[in-house]
Formats: sequence, C-alpha cells, structure tokens
Amino acid sequence: GAVVSQHPSRVICKSGTSVKIECRSLDFQATTMFWYRQFPKQSLMLMATSNEGSKATYEQGVEKDKFLINHASLTLSTLTVTSAHPEDSSFYICSARPTGGIRNEQFFGPGTRLTVL
Amino acid sequence: AQRVTQPEKLLSVFKGAPVELKCNYSYSGSPELFWYVQYSRQRLQLLLRHISRESIKGFTADLNKGETSFHLKKPFAQEEDSAMYYCALRGISGNTPLVFGKGTRLSVIA
Repeated sequence: GAVVSQHPSRVICKSGTSVKIECRSLDFQATTMFWYRQFPKQSLMLMATSNEGSKATYEQGVEKDKFLINHASLTLSTLTVTSAHPEDSSFYICSARPTGGIRNEQFFGPGTRLTVL
Repeated sequence: AQRVTQPEKLLSVFKGAPVELKCNYSYSGSPELFWYVQYSRQRLQLLLRHISRESIKGFTADLNKGETSFHLKKPFAQEEDSAMYYCALRGISGNTPLVFGKGTRLSVIA
C-alpha cells in the first residue's frame, strides 16, 4: 500500500530558530500534498496545499512567510517553520495523494511533534 | 462554507453493544464523505468512503443528503474498535483537500 513518511518524528527547538519537516511518498508519486496541524485533543486543521513545481496554496489565517512550503519533487514536500515560537508547538501531519490515482485517496504520514521552548 | 460537525467528543459503549458515531456536514455542492480512524499511537487511516458503499471491520455509513448526515454505525462493538474517529468531506472536483470534523473518541468497555 501507499506509504507516507515524515522526518523528524519529534523535534524540540529553541524559540527563534527554524525547523524543517520533510514529507515523503515512499512508493508513489504525489503531485499534491497537504499539510495539517493538530492541537492536543483537537481536529486536523488544513494549513496549506502543496503543489509540485508551483507555489503552495495557504488556508486563510496561515502565514505563508511563517510556514514555508517547498514541493520540489513528486515525492518530497517540506514545511519549514521559520522563527519558531512556543505557540507554534503542535503536531504537524502531511498527507499525499497519488498522481493519477483512481480512488483519489489521501494517505497520511505519522506526524511530527514540534515543541518550541 | 464547508463544515463537518461531530457532536460527541467521547462515546463509551459496552462490548457487544451497537455503536453510532454522528456526523453532519454543510457543503455547497456534492461532497465526498469519509470516515478516518486513528488507533492509539498510529497514523490516520481511511476506514470507509460513501461512494464505495462498503462495510469495513463491520462499520457502515450511509450518506443522507436530506439530513446532510453521514453517521458511522456498527451493530456489535469490539474492544479493538476503541480509537479516534474523524468524519471528513471533500469536494468531488479537482485537488480539493479533506476537511475534518473534530473527532469522536470511541471507548469500548469490556
């Protein structure tokens, strides 16, 4: 089956630093990937849609200069949290949709827990 | 605006009892509806989708357009069904993303 990986699974950083999270589709190509954010005991909130070879589409209220998304290849999207602050601490989950997939299904990564001190 | 509402944060049932996890939605158009499940310490995974009209692990869900609902049901709950369940919707056309409800934690008591 389709597998999506994320790296790192957990990261702790100091306030003011930048953190990069990678999302890879391991056995399929994904023109489109999605980044979600999940606060404790809350639902997944869509942050942005990442499109290979073009700019990401951000949801309302999500700062594009704060959360930089790069989808440089059909198997890799990265989310960089710039100048992280404690309020950015959260669980970040990526999802990928196989290019040309018949069922148009989204597969989810295991998530990355970011803690900003 | 598109929205998914799951009114129950937590649902506790005894093993063997019927289960119904409620989901209501609002969407201007024809959406696709899904149920996703997240077991403890595991990633989110698809449980079922309305267009498949299938039963997975004994669960079924029927799309009721009149009531804009997509409730998840199982006649006899099992302990291994304990998990977080998320209802989600997506527009049919294009690369539209999934929009999730807040989730319901199902706890099946032995």
